[in-house]
Amino acid sequence: ETGVTQTPRHLVMGMTNKKSLKCEQHLGHNAMYWYKQSAKKPLELMFVYSLEERVENNSVPSRFSPECPNSSHLFLHLHTLQPEDSALYLCASSQDRGTGLTDTQYFGPGTRLTVL
Amino acid sequence: EDQVTQSPEALRLQEGESSSLNCSYTVSGLRGLFWYRQDPGKGPEFLFTLYSAGEEKEKERLKATLTKKESFLHITAPKPEDSATYLCAVQDGSQFGTSYGKLTFGQGTILTVHP
Repeated sequence: ETGVTQTPRHLVMGMTNKKSLKCEQHLGHNAMYWYKQSAKKPLELMFVYSLEERVENNSVPSRFSPECPNSSHLFLHLHTLQPEDSALYLCASSQDRGTGLTDTQYFGPGTRLTVL
Repeated sequence: EDQVTQSPEALRLQEGESSSLNCSYTVSGLRGLFWYRQDPGKGPEFLFTLYSAGEEKEKERLKATLTKKESFLHITAPKPEDSATYLCAVQDGSQFGTSYGKLTFGQGTILTVHP
């Protein structure tokens, strides 16, 4: 595997289900991100982890819960979602130089989530 | 608040018909401007990073330029395989330590190149 991988690629869930999205980066980076991409809207940053520590939580509802067990893996745990949460969820990684700013972010292919 | 506006929203070209996409931005202190290409159902693919006004970068039929207020992505003699959504994003260097790696994206330009 190379680059940033995400599983599953497609997910359909009911509003009462609990599911998790997985992201793995093979680039040796130390920062990872979750973004939400809805139709006709710009990408929205959800969470940022740098050196496995969450450094940004962009006012995301608590029904989304991130987890970063190490610098190569990132999860997004989902529970009691709403239909408006249907979107493409993208994971990205970059190298944090320790200044609060990071290098270019590289994206995974995304998980297309549909909430019924 | 950082803002990024891309125009046009959609652009249709004939194969070989050169054109430009625009990205206008408002940011307190630009650390970097990024161009990505996104194919339907896929994640954004990195194209270029520009750091200062006057900088230019090229890759095959694409050339990106940067001024203090906007960036252009010039497409020379496009081919159908250049069809995609092109995204522009900025990173604000003035928010040191408070907006960790945060990119502000535009809504994208959907490019369609007809054979």
